[in-house]
Amino acid sequence: GAVVSQHPSRVICKSGTSVKIECRSLDFQATTMFWYRQFPKQSLMLMATSNEGSKATYEQGVEKDKFLINHASLTLSTLTVTSAHPEDSSFYICSARVVGLGVWDTEAFFGQGTRLTVV
Amino acid sequence: SQQGEEDPQALSIQEGENATMNCSYKTSINNLQWYRQNSGRGLVHLILIRSNEREKHSGRLRVTLDTSKKSSSLLITASRAADTASYFCATVRSTLGRLYFGRGTQLTVWP
Repeated sequence: GAVVSQHPSRVICKSGTSVKIECRSLDFQATTMFWYRQFPKQSLMLMATSNEGSKATYEQGVEKDKFLINHASLTLSTLTVTSAHPEDSSFYICSARVVGLGVWDTEAFFGQGTRLTVV
Repeated sequence: SQQGEEDPQALSIQEGENATMNCSYKTSINNLQWYRQNSGRGLVHLILIRSNEREKHSGRLRVTLDTSKKSSSLLITASRAADTASYFCATVRSTLGRLYFGRGTQLTVWP
């Protein structure tokens, strides 16, 4: 299957700093990427939908100014956690779909996730 | 969860036994997908069933879908220790293709 690379896999940062997480589709183009957050032993919560060349669409309750999403190309989306707080500590996972298919009858490909710890 | 409920939340069985996990969802769907997640890792797609399908097979996996009850089940036959993981169902609701996940079932298969 297609490969999605997410980097870094782990990051520790101090409160108040910003952290950028990258998500790349390595062997396919993705007009749409999705960002999820997962708490320990819980489900994946969709945070936002990232569209290439346009603004991201955020789910209800997700702070746009805190979780900045940029989808500058068909193979790269970034999530920046700004002014990080300890409660932002979590597992963040990106997902991408193949371009060009008109219906969503396709699987999603996931990155390996980023474990963020804010101290 | 954003999508619905899965049960059981945890399932512990012996190798060779069958494992059945259930998923319920709340809204109309385009399709329903099952994913597997090893601890601390990303998700791997297992199988997709469309809203007009009732049953689908893939190797040792069997998925059913009942749109009238808004529920699905995943059966893993002849389980192996390597099947130990969390299993999530996810629904696609709109043309935007957003995937919403259930809470998942933690499956442990003992050798």
